[in-house]
Amino acid sequence: GQQLNQSPQSMFIQEGEDVSMNCTSSSIFNTWLWYKQDPGEGPVLLIALYKAGELTSNGRLTAQFGITRKDSFLNISASIPSDVGIYFCAGQFEKLTFGTGTRLTIIP
Amino acid sequence: NAGVMQNPRHLVRRRGQEARLRCSPMKGHSHVYWYRQLPEEGLKFMVYLQKENIIDESGMPKERFSAEFPKEGPSILRIQQVVRGDSAAYFCASSPASWVANEKLFFGSGTQLSVL
Repeated sequence: GQQLNQSPQSMFIQEGEDVSMNCTSSSIFNTWLWYKQDPGEGPVLLIALYKAGELTSNGRLTAQFGITRKDSFLNISASIPSDVGIYFCAGQFEKLTFGTGTRLTIIP
Repeated sequence: NAGVMQNPRHLVRRRGQEARLRCSPMKGHSHVYWYRQLPEEGLKFMVYLQKENIIDESGMPKERFSAEFPKEGPSILRIQQVVRGDSAAYFCASSPASWVANEKLFFGSGTQLSVL
């Protein structure tokens, strides 16, 4: 089956720092999605990418769909306390396959 | 606009009992997906349904698990004779069209199943 490797597994940063995380796959996807999950809640869609090479921003978030269609990254600029949570990449080729998540913690 | 509604939020069952999880999709959405999330892991696909049809159940265990999405009413994920390993968060998502069309999926808040 399709597998998504997401890194890093966890990040500890200070408020105001930039964040970068990525996903790689052994398979090609038609769509890449990035979700954020808060404790006890379902994933909330942050950004959707539909074309290879596409670079999309949503406020302080920027994500890119890799040229090979096997990878994607998400950047968060100038992190704030409400950015804390778990970020999941998800690749879509019929089924939606999720990465293992990146847990973001902001150190006071 | 109501989002995807799941109930109950928390469900406690003893080993051997049955668990029924309900999901009402967003208004106008006729496609429902169930995912399972174990602690500290990502979401794993279980089953994809349209009204009255199971489209893809390749992620669902062959025994004890079943799902339906009737013409009227919510989608139901049913787990018979639960075991401790069934303890997880179960998420439902919906979309307005088939995921072949690469439609975005919107998730509910999940049902946390705890098996004692």
